[in-house]
Amino acid sequence: KAGVTQTPRYLIKTRGQQVTLSCSPISGHRSVSWYQQTPGQGLQFLFEYFSETQRNKGNFPGRFSGRQFSNSRSEMNVSTLELGDSALYLCASSSLGGQTTQKETQYFGPGTRLLVL
Amino acid sequence: GENVEQHPSTLSVQEGDSAVIKCTYSDSASNYFPWYKQELGKRPQLIIDIRSNVGEKKDQRIAVTLNKTAKHFSLHITETQPEDSAVYFCAASKTGTASKLTFGTGTRLQVML
Repeated sequence: KAGVTQTPRYLIKTRGQQVTLSCSPISGHRSVSWYQQTPGQGLQFLFEYFSETQRNKGNFPGRFSGRQFSNSRSEMNVSTLELGDSALYLCASSSLGGQTTQKETQYFGPGTRLLVL
Repeated sequence: GENVEQHPSTLSVQEGDSAVIKCTYSDSASNYFPWYKQELGKRPQLIIDIRSNVGEKKDQRIAVTLNKTAKHFSLHITETQPEDSAVYFCAASKTGTASKLTFGTGTRLQVML
């Protein structure tokens, strides 16, 4: 099976702009989670989508949002970009996630590196 | 919420030696503990995981141990090789929010020739 893919791989934006990142999970996986990775804060959970519904949410401001489509592909959006939003944004997919830890193994995509100037 | 602490932050070992990375977690309900390896510029990759109904799990040169009472788990790498050099992250999650992984801060392992 093809792995998790993310587009674009690199992105440069300026403060105040908005950005949309895309993630295609492994075929058959219905859960998509998003993480922000920075040198200072490490890997932090943003949110998880399952069957087009946000099921879990981390502690990020409302400027960070996401959605999932019927084919399980997911997008995340960041509005009014700030310098501190510069990070590697990783998505991960798993087959079921959520309610059971039996099928929760998460497979990460290569990430989108966002630079905010 | 869950908090995962990881030590050490950097670890240098000679090729062939063993490496041990330790993590502690705060939420006693956590029951799934994966370890990820991230090489420079690459995605995190799962190397081993353990669930709370098991005390130890081994896969070739890699092993993980879990002490539920003390709420800590450790990664053991034996016979280290240069290709083991990477950043290692521990994580924890629980049933109900299994996809919400709380990560440790990472350990940069350098295996010296």
